[in-house]
This record gives sequence, structure tokens and C-alpha cells, in this order.
Amino acid sequence: KAGVTQTPRYLIKTRGQQVTLSCSPISGHRSVSWYQQTPGQGLQFLFEYFSETQRNKGNFPGRFSGRQFSNSRSEMNVSTLELGDSALYLCASSPEGRLETQYFGPGTRLLVL
Amino acid sequence: DAKTTQPTSMDCAEGRAANLPCNHSTISGNEYVYWYRQIHSQGPQYIIHGLKNNETNEMASLIITEDRKSSTLILPHATLRDTAVYYCIVRVTNNDMRFGAGTRLTVKP
Repeated sequence: KAGVTQTPRYLIKTRGQQVTLSCSPISGHRSVSWYQQTPGQGLQFLFEYFSETQRNKGNFPGRFSGRQFSNSRSEMNVSTLELGDSALYLCASSPEGRLETQYFGPGTRLLVL
Repeated sequence: DAKTTQPTSMDCAEGRAANLPCNHSTISGNEYVYWYRQIHSQGPQYIIHGLKNNETNEMASLIITEDRKSSTLILPHATLRDTAVYYCIVRVTNNDMRFGAGTRLTVKP
């Protein structure tokens, strides 16, 4: 079974731009969660989508948004990029959203200049 | 969420047991203890979790003290591939979790 895939793997943007990251979950998984990981803040939860609906949301500004498609693929968008948005963005999928059945993708490393 | 405290780094000899401690003195009754690890350049990997009983799976054992204020992750026979950062978190079972700095475990030949 293929794992969670994320594209692109690396991305360089400048301040003020916007970016869209993509995540393809494991086949059959309906829950997709997004996380931001930085050296200073560690890993932080952004949001979770389940069957195309946002089910949980972390404490991030509205510049961070996401969506999920009917095939469970998910995208995350960050508008008006700031230098502090430089991070590893991780996507994780699970059948129903339980932590112990969650598999992470390799992440997208975003650098904002 | 309850805060966790872990040592910054630990070393372990290959083939020996690695015992990684975690303090979570403010854990509440319905919070589980979860352990993850992250190998360089990869996403985190779930290892094990528990509420109050000791747990064991094919990867590791989890020992939780009776007062639930601390726990220990045990890798019974560490290999070089176990070199990673190990994270202990306490969480009710949903996805809103947050990792701290974790323990950087280095397994040496």
C-alpha cells in the first residue's frame, strides 16, 4: 500500500506570496491532518479534514486554510507569506482520525525569503 | 494539554535496551500518553500509546507509573536505525497534538 505523499517536497517563496501544498492520503483513509514543524515551536497542529469537512482546527491565523476533495486528497494554502512561515509542513492521514492509526508523509519544506 | 518534559539527548549501545523517560506531572484523567519518533528528513512515526496500564507492541514497551505522572518508553534491543528524535505527548484522542523538543536518541555501534 502506498504511503502518504506530499508535493512539492521543497519550495522557496518570497514574502507576500501565497503557496498551495498538496497531500495524497493512504488509500481508504478519510482523515487528513496538517501540521507545521519548526525548530523553535516544534510540531503544531493546523487542521484536520474528514470527508471533505474541516473537523478540527489549531490556533493559526486565517492566512492558513485548507480543503479536502471527494477522493480525500487535501490541499493547504498559506496566503500573504511571512518569514515565520518557513517550516516543514506535514500531512498525516488515518482511516477515522485516531492518532494511533495516523501515518505521516515526508513533508514539504517551505522557505520564505 | 499537559506539558511533558524529556531529556534533550541520550545515547545507547546497539543491542542494548533504550529507556526514554518522560515527565507529565499535570496529566489529567482522560489524557493518553503517546510516543512518536522522527528520523531525520522523515515525518513522525507513531510508536505506542497508553492510558494507565503498561503496553507493549512490536516496536516498544510503555511503562506508565501508577500516579501517571511519568512514563518510560523502552526499545528492548536498540539498533542503529532507532537513532531518531523521540517525542512524548499527552493527549485526548484527537489530532490536535503538539510536539515539544523531544529526546534525541543516538544508538552507537
